[in-house]
Amino acid sequence: QQQVKQSPQSLIVQKGGISIINCAYENTAFDYFPWYQQFPGKGPALLIAIRPDVSEKKEGRFTISFNKSAKQFSLHIMDSQPGDSATYFCAASLDRSDYKLSFGAGTTVTVRA
Amino acid sequence: DAGVIQSPRHEVTEMGQEVTLRCKPISGHDYLFWYRQTMMRGLELLIYFNNNVPIDDSGMPEDRFSAKMPNASFSTLKIQPSEPRDSAVYFCASSPNTGELFFGEGSRLTVL
Repeated sequence: QQQVKQSPQSLIVQKGGISIINCAYENTAFDYFPWYQQFPGKGPALLIAIRPDVSEKKEGRFTISFNKSAKQFSLHIMDSQPGDSATYFCAASLDRSDYKLSFGAGTTVTVRA
Repeated sequence: DAGVIQSPRHEVTEMGQEVTLRCKPISGHDYLFWYRQTMMRGLELLIYFNNNVPIDDSGMPEDRFSAKMPNASFSTLKIQPSEPRDSAVYFCASSPNTGELFFGEGSRLTVL
């Protein structure tokens, strides 16, 4: 039973478009929400993370939006590039030092040139 | 600096055989994790260590799985006997206690 539900399973976007991935959680005790990026044949790598006291965090073309009342958070990839083609995982844990991350099922993003 | 190093990258074995996966974490990282990734179940935490001591092994699927960390630079995940349903990509990750996990490239296991 996944504690973090992620959608969509996959998406295709044109170069320059916006990719949006959504995640929802049930456990209100979750306090740390990282996103990991995984390229084929590689392990996941931390992309960006957010705490619930912040509604939005931006790093370059990647933005996390957080809605605590709705228990939802999302990743926006602006100006999507072919190099962004990867699988993206949202995750949640009780805090940054709680290593029992609950991962979403993953979203495979394909950016068409 | 080298990342997390896993071996073998690919392993094909027959049901009933023993499988040993190896991991060298990043030097200086206090935490080491073993994850399993499958299409059906996604990324699952199997076990993690802090300073070579197992902290939580509640994700280990059954007694056929065991993990050891004899020193700060080496860990093994052993499956004995292996079964076809163990086929997956097994990831080792380490962390310097910042919350960020640094994953290796994984060991793809196929049990026939």
